[in-house]
Amino acid sequence: EVQLVESGGGLVQSGGSLRLSCLASGFPFSHYSLNWFRQAPGKGLEWVSSISNTGTSTYYADSVRGRFSISRDNAKNSLYLEMSSLGVDDTAVYFCAREITYWGQGNLVAVSS
Amino acid sequence: DIQMTQSPSTLSASVGDSVTITCRASQDIVTWLAWYQQRPGKAPKLLIYKASVLEGGVPSRFSGSGSGTEFTLTISSLQPDDFATYYCQQYNGYPYTFGQGTKLEIK
Repeated sequence: EVQLVESGGGLVQSGGSLRLSCLASGFPFSHYSLNWFRQAPGKGLEWVSSISNTGTSTYYADSVRGRFSISRDNAKNSLYLEMSSLGVDDTAVYFCAREITYWGQGNLVAVSS
Repeated sequence: DIQMTQSPSTLSASVGDSVTITCRASQDIVTWLAWYQQRPGKAPKLLIYKASVLEGGVPSRFSGSGSGTEFTLTISSLQPDDFATYYCQQYNGYPYTFGQGTKLEIK
């Protein structure tokens, strides 16, 4: 069974940093590209970042480019999102996803002013 | 960026009804279009990919059609479990973009 479990979220002050992790199981991790999506409270879905299966190619939404960094460790079946210079607009539930098919349960990041 | 315009934003229907949700892309995305269902507090669930391919385990009352810039999601014979929010998403290229969502409510 495919499983994706996010962790590392929480409450952080504006300007602060946070690192999200996503632990995957149930599939050959190194074969798939991975994504981070987010959903602000009461709002729609937003794509944040993607990484290729080898980690050599990365992509970012304009809203996070230069502040967020996506990475993966294929030996640990883990995906990461390093977030810095956080602002209140970054408050959201963050989801990791295997391509577009399987999504984690989400992890809340709350940025206070 | 490719803009995805989804309509309606809210849809009221009864159990047993059939409903259709429309998604329009601002440029040609061929068939790189997915539909998701999301219940409150839960992750989105993939229903359809490549515009019309039903994800495994999804009931056949869900169907998708379209290509290019116009797409539809049809749910026939609505069941109580179907009342949720639905999103379209293009994955033709980065940045991936979503429609604004359609909240399907019980009439």
